[in-house]
Amino acid sequence: GQNIDQPTEMTATEGAIVQINCTYQTSGFNGLFWYQQHAGEAPTFLSYNVLDGLEEKGRFSSFLSRSKGYSYLLLKELQMKDSASYLCACMDSNYQLIWGAGTKLIIKP
Amino acid sequence: DVKVTQSSRYLVKRTGEKVFLECVQDMDHENMFWYRQDPGLGLRLIYFSYDVKMKEKGDIPEGYSVSREKKERFSLILESASTNQTSMYLCASSLLGELAKNIQYFGAGTRLSVL
Repeated sequence: GQNIDQPTEMTATEGAIVQINCTYQTSGFNGLFWYQQHAGEAPTFLSYNVLDGLEEKGRFSSFLSRSKGYSYLLLKELQMKDSASYLCACMDSNYQLIWGAGTKLIIKP
Repeated sequence: DVKVTQSSRYLVKRTGEKVFLECVQDMDHENMFWYRQDPGLGLRLIYFSYDVKMKEKGDIPEGYSVSREKKERFSLILESASTNQTSMYLCASSLLGELAKNIQYFGAGTRLSVL
């Protein structure tokens, strides 16, 4: 079956760095997405990886290893506004998105 | 900016009622999607549409139907609401052209409670 695993909740300190992991098992692979969802709001696109390696975009970076079925989202210089859920989603061979349950990130001062 | 608007943020309905959830997008996107989001589960696709009057079943279509009469509007219909359909419903849209890097733009969601 198809499966996306990510931690349910993580806590980090303002100004620090946090890494949110995502492992996936899908039938085929056409890329991995990260979305951010603040409580009560719409998910918004953060990043897309289809090739192995690190993609950096400001304070956020996303990494992919296709051979390991593994990705992570790295958030640097954490700010209180980064408190949100982070959704990992994998696109399968039919170009359908398979979603993880999301990781709730709590930032403490 | 892409805007996806869902008609209601909160709805309370009774078991057996017919429920309409409306979604409108303003970016001329061909693709539109309906998901439900439940605690501890990933987004689950109910239905999607690639074009006007076209619909495809997602992973959990049972108990739902959809309507797409105009490109910008995609409606989700619960023919006879049941308590297990209490959930957060999210609408999304995307461009048809990109197959892989197909970024979906979401509405803020409708939280439906069925009593």
